[in-house]
Amino acid sequence: KAGVTQTPRYLIKTRGQQVTLSCSPISGHRSVSWYQQTPGQGLQFLFEYFSETQRNKGNFPGRFSGRQFSNSRSEMNVSTLELGDSALYLCASSRRDSFPMELFFGSGTQLSVL
Amino acid sequence: AQSVTQLDSQVPVFEEAPVELRCNYSSSVSVYLFWYVQYPNQGLQLLLKYLSGSTLVESINGFEAEFNKSQTSFHLRKPSVHISDTAEYFCAVIYAQGGSEKLVFGKGTKLTVNP
Repeated sequence: KAGVTQTPRYLIKTRGQQVTLSCSPISGHRSVSWYQQTPGQGLQFLFEYFSETQRNKGNFPGRFSGRQFSNSRSEMNVSTLELGDSALYLCASSRRDSFPMELFFGSGTQLSVL
Repeated sequence: AQSVTQLDSQVPVFEEAPVELRCNYSSSVSVYLFWYVQYPNQGLQLLLKYLSGSTLVESINGFEAEFNKSQTSFHLRKPSVHISDTAEYFCAVIYAQGGSEKLVFGKGTKLTVNP
């Protein structure tokens, strides 16, 4: 069974640009969550999508957005990039119908903003 | 507020020494507890979990954790570490109440095993 796949693996952007990250969940998993990981803040929850609907949202500005497609694949978009957006962005999938939910993580996208 | 505290940000140990990584959570009615491990340049992998039943849970690679409700702790231990255990370890807690659940991560503990 394939794991969670995130693309691209690395990204270098400049301030002011926008970026789109992609996540393909494990087959059968309908929930996708996104996290930002930085050395100082650790893992911070961005948002969760389930069946194409945003279920939960963390405390991030509106520059961070996401969406989920009918095949459960998800994309995350960051507009008007800032230096502080440099981080590892992790995607995790789960079977939302299992309780409690267990997360399966991808390897992440390392975003560097110059 | 619901929180998870990992008391040590970095833990250096020598190979074959015992190690304990500490995790405390804020008290709540129902909690489910997890330890995740992150090896360099990789995502997080589930190491072990406590959902119910025996308070001592074990992983396949020799780690164990004990749920202590009175101490609100879920410390991770290994009696003898290997170089390959060098990684960052995250404690995570699902707080469940009133039909909703919220997953909270600790800030992580970097374990470095030296020869």
